Amino acid sequence: KAGVTQTPRYLIKTRGQQVTLSCSPISGHRSVSWYQQTPGQGLQFLFEYFSETQRNKGNFPGRFSGRQFSNSRSEMNVSTLELGDSALYLCASLEGTDYYNEQFFGPGTRLTVL
Amino acid sequence: AQSVAQPEDQVNVAEGNPLTVKCTYSVSGNPYLFWYVQYPNRGLQFLLKYITGDNLVKGSYGFEAEFNKSQTSFHLKKPSALVSDSALYFCAYTGGFKTIFGAGTRLFVKA
Repeated sequence: KAGVTQTPRYLIKTRGQQVTLSCSPISGHRSVSWYQQTPGQGLQFLFEYFSETQRNKGNFPGRFSGRQFSNSRSEMNVSTLELGDSALYLCASLEGTDYYNEQFFGPGTRLTVL
Repeated sequence: AQSVAQPEDQVNVAEGNPLTVKCTYSVSGNPYLFWYVQYPNRGLQFLLKYITGDNLVKGSYGFEAEFNKSQTSFHLKKPSALVSDSALYFCAYTGGFKTIFGAGTRLFVKA
């Protein structure tokens, strides 16, 4: 099976712009989670989707949003970009609904905000 | 609130020596605990997990971890380190459709 894919891999934006990142989970996986990784804050949970429903979200401002489509592909959107949004954004997919299964991570999208 | 702590930012070990990367947790309910590894410019890879049962869990690449309920710890270990084990290691807790990661420990294995 193909792994988790994320597009684009690299992105450069300026403050105030908005950005959309895409994640395609492993075939058959219906749960997708998003994480933000920065040197200062480490890995922080953004949100989790299962069958197009958001089941949990982390402590991020409303500028961060996401959605999941019927084919389990997911997108996250960040509006009104700030310098502090520069980070590696990782998505992960999960087989089934049991969260004691391991997550499979994509390579990430490196976002740079200038 | 649930939390996971990795008290060491960096661990240095010589190749062939045993290694330990420490993790402690503070969670309510069942502690579903994981270790993941991240190589440069890559996503995270699963190493092992503790759900229930034996306190000693064996995982990928010769790694193992010991779950200690009384000390609320889940330390990652390997009997003999390899230079290729050099990477960033994360301990994590999963519950309520959310995963909380520790800050990460960078492991350097010197030849």
